[in-house]
Amino acid sequence: EPEVTQTPSHQVTQMGQEVILRCVPISNHLYFYWYRQILGQKVEFLVSFYNNEISEKSEIFDDQFSVERPDGSNFTLKIRSTKLEDSAMYFCASSSNGGARARGSNQPQHFGDGTRLSIL
Amino acid sequence: RKEVEQDPGPFNVPEGATVAFNCTYSNSASQSFFWYRQDCRKEPKLLMSVYSSGNEDGRFTAQLNRASQYISLLIRDSKLSDSATYLCVVNSRGTNAGKSTFGDGTTLTVKP
Repeated sequence: EPEVTQTPSHQVTQMGQEVILRCVPISNHLYFYWYRQILGQKVEFLVSFYNNEISEKSEIFDDQFSVERPDGSNFTLKIRSTKLEDSAMYFCASSSNGGARARGSNQPQHFGDGTRLSIL
Repeated sequence: RKEVEQDPGPFNVPEGATVAFNCTYSNSASQSFFWYRQDCRKEPKLLMSVYSSGNEDGRFTAQLNRASQYISLLIRDSKLSDSATYLCVVNSRGTNAGKSTFGDGTTLTVKP
């Protein structure tokens, strides 16, 4: 079964450094997402992406965050200047186009196994 | 009020028990609904979509009541392997990809 893959599985970074988290969504999916989950807390939506542009973003996704689909297969999340509170598990997800009248938001999302980001 | 609210739990039940989880959502324009399960320190995994007519997948039954903005998940004949956190997920009617809002999750422990 096709799956979403994320790298690295664990990233340790000094506060203030830039970090790039990488994701390879399922190949025929068109909608891409990033979520984060702080330890012991709920999964929080960060951003959705379609047709090479951001579709929606949350209040968490401020100017320190950016996303990119640089080469048609990878989907990256960049945090420009990391803070201690950015420490979390970051999940990438993708979903398919459900058909001519459907939108990605109708389809279930498939999650990667996450990148644990630790900021020191 | 939270956008997606779930039973706080935790639920501790013996093997073979039937257990039901409830979820309410505040955005009446919400478009699609799902139950995911999440094992400790793992990614959310899709359990089932939730349809207006209700749907069943083996021991699992999901119901949706749009008028009451309420979703439920029923697990029959629970197994030890059902122990996990169950997440209610609501997708908004946004542009294109939209967004998913997760509930806090309800933790289930099935004991022998």
